[in-house]
Amino acid sequence: AQSVTQLDSQVPVFEEAPVELRCNYSSSVSVYLFWYVQYPNQGLQLLLKYLSGSTLVESINGFEAEFNKSQTSFHLRKPSVHISDTAEYFCAVSDKSGGGNKLTFGTGTQLKVEL
Amino acid sequence: DAGVIQSPRHEVTEMGQEVTLRCKPISGHDYLFWYRQTMMRGLELLIYFNNNVPIDDSGMPEDRFSAKMPNASFSTLKIQPSEPRDSAVYFCASSFSSETSGGPEQYFGPGTRLTVT
Repeated sequence: AQSVTQLDSQVPVFEEAPVELRCNYSSSVSVYLFWYVQYPNQGLQLLLKYLSGSTLVESINGFEAEFNKSQTSFHLRKPSVHISDTAEYFCAVSDKSGGGNKLTFGTGTQLKVEL
Repeated sequence: DAGVIQSPRHEVTEMGQEVTLRCKPISGHDYLFWYRQTMMRGLELLIYFNNNVPIDDSGMPEDRFSAKMPNASFSTLKIQPSEPRDSAVYFCASSFSSETSGGPEQYFGPGTRLTVT
């Protein structure tokens, strides 16, 4: 069974500052990794994913995450945040050998971008 | 594609009443998931289906909850009788089998906000 730890429940940051949202996972097997974003009163939207290949993955709106197998981490970063990035961010993991469809989610990190 | 469709978007009901939430997955997806989200418990997986067959219902809170998927394009989550502690946002999500197409990422609907008074 997998588990996901998002150590920070809230991260306040000023606009145009860099941000890192931390995600660590626990699994005895190979995994797929995901970051989802949830804006107020909406469903979760896929932000980016790691399935295989390059350990650095990027989203279309400037976020990136790096899969670090030795540290079992998949931290999310953005070099310069915008007010519109204010949302809750969820890290998720799934078991490759089981097909990868059942996701285990972390408890979420609320990113609040301030002027 | 229209994405995952859920109805109703909001439901207010009285304790003891039956509630039925509906979901239409993305066409071609063969996995369907039901989640519940609350401030206290976060996001919880209730049940999921593969090819219309329930695979894991260990997250269903109790016998008052039931879910069905009569065909590939429709699923329901029913609560009978409803209680105030069932108040939450219920999400439906769907995905492709990773063996057949692309990646296994899930696509979420907009959710149904349920309030039981």
